[in-house]
Amino acid sequence: EDQVTQSPEALRLQEGESSSLNCSYTVSGLRGLFWYRQDPGKGPEFLFTLYSAGEEKEKERLKATLTKKESFLHITAPKPEDSATYLCAVQAYGGATNKLIFGTGTLLAVQP
Amino acid sequence: KAGVTQTPRYLIKTRGQQVTLSCSPISGHRSVSWYQQTPGQGLQFLFEYFSETQRNKGNFPGRFSGRQFSNSRSEMNVSTLELGDSALYLCASSPDLGMNTEAFFGQGTRLTVV
Repeated sequence: EDQVTQSPEALRLQEGESSSLNCSYTVSGLRGLFWYRQDPGKGPEFLFTLYSAGEEKEKERLKATLTKKESFLHITAPKPEDSATYLCAVQAYGGATNKLIFGTGTLLAVQP
Repeated sequence: KAGVTQTPRYLIKTRGQQVTLSCSPISGHRSVSWYQQTPGQGLQFLFEYFSETQRNKGNFPGRFSGRQFSNSRSEMNVSTLELGDSALYLCASSPDLGMNTEAFFGQGTRLTVV
């Protein structure tokens, strides 16, 4: 069964303290891995899609990487406005579908 | 370019009632997917639509249904509401189906069943 596990569940950082969030996945065939940011009471905001092992993408203080079994979201010198829940999701091969399988997220709090 | 629009943003319903939620995808996007988000289960896939046809369905009871119109707008309906249906319902929009494209979410409809 396709599955996504995110760790840690919650992470508290000081402003400027870099760290990484982990997303490990089990999927029959990976079409794509997605990272989203979600603020309280809002819908997920798209950050990155990674399609193949070794791929990396960057956006401001965020960098996402992908291996055959997991993805990391590296946060460099975070600011309080980076506080949010970060969601990882996978899309599997298997017919014409856009279905995403989500992990339960990492709640990130960045203190000034 | 306007994003995904979901209406209403908030709803309070009584057990046993039914409810209809609406989603307008990004202009030009033809695929719409629906998800239920709860604190205990996270985001769970409900169903997806493309060209007015349901293409895939998640593991939810038949009380949950949906449809898509010719302009790609979509509605989902929940009949005979239960307390456990209280959740944030999210709609995601994609340009196409089954290809390497991103999915963009709306702000969601917060449904509370009392």
